[in-house]
Amino acid sequence: GESVGLHLPTLSVQEGDNSIINCAYSNSASDYFIWYKQESGKGPQFIIDIRSNMDKRQGQRVTVLLNKTVKHLSLQIAATQPGDSAVYFCAENSGNNRLAFGKGNQVVVIP
Amino acid sequence: EPEVTQTPSHQVTQMGQEVILRCVPISNHLYFYWYRQILGQKVEFLVSFYNNEISEKSEIFDDQFSVERPDGSNFTLKIRSTKLEDSAMYFCASSARRPNQPQHFGDGTRLSIL
Repeated sequence: GESVGLHLPTLSVQEGDNSIINCAYSNSASDYFIWYKQESGKGPQFIIDIRSNMDKRQGQRVTVLLNKTVKHLSLQIAATQPGDSAVYFCAENSGNNRLAFGKGNQVVVIP
Repeated sequence: EPEVTQTPSHQVTQMGQEVILRCVPISNHLYFYWYRQILGQKVEFLVSFYNNEISEKSEIFDDQFSVERPDGSNFTLKIRSTKLEDSAMYFCASSARRPNQPQHFGDGTRLSIL
């Protein structure tokens, strides 16, 4: 099983550069995926979602890519800004109304 | 923009006491959820609620826990006889009519059991 601890994978990115955050999901039956952003002291904030019948979806400055073959999800943030510093979680839904969250990735934007 | 609100933001309780965590979901949403996040760990699903009944619950959600929608706006999580390991952030979420719609989260209640 996965190990869970206090230390999250950290991505340090220069302000203005693009960020890519990766997530491996576990359930091949999952048909809906969400990326959330969590800032310190706040709840998960919805960023973008994608259904399993798509492999790419774009939002404002963000793009989610889904590769069902290898059960991989990624979030691309264009022109990263200091306000993008947060923990990012992917979450999957296998159709039963419960979201299963990944461990999270810390993004640190360097001004 | 409509949001999920939770009260209190921080609750400190003696072990063995009962606590009630309160949530006001987004007003036109029909599906409601509770999740918890132990410090440094993943967000974990507890329970989902639709049409005034539990639709799904996890193995964490045992007889110690209960949920209720006492009126048209509030959604509560009750924890009876709290244990030290119940210390966590508890998040309420809601989503619109269909499943597989985005779940929108409140900012959580930090529960500290002494």
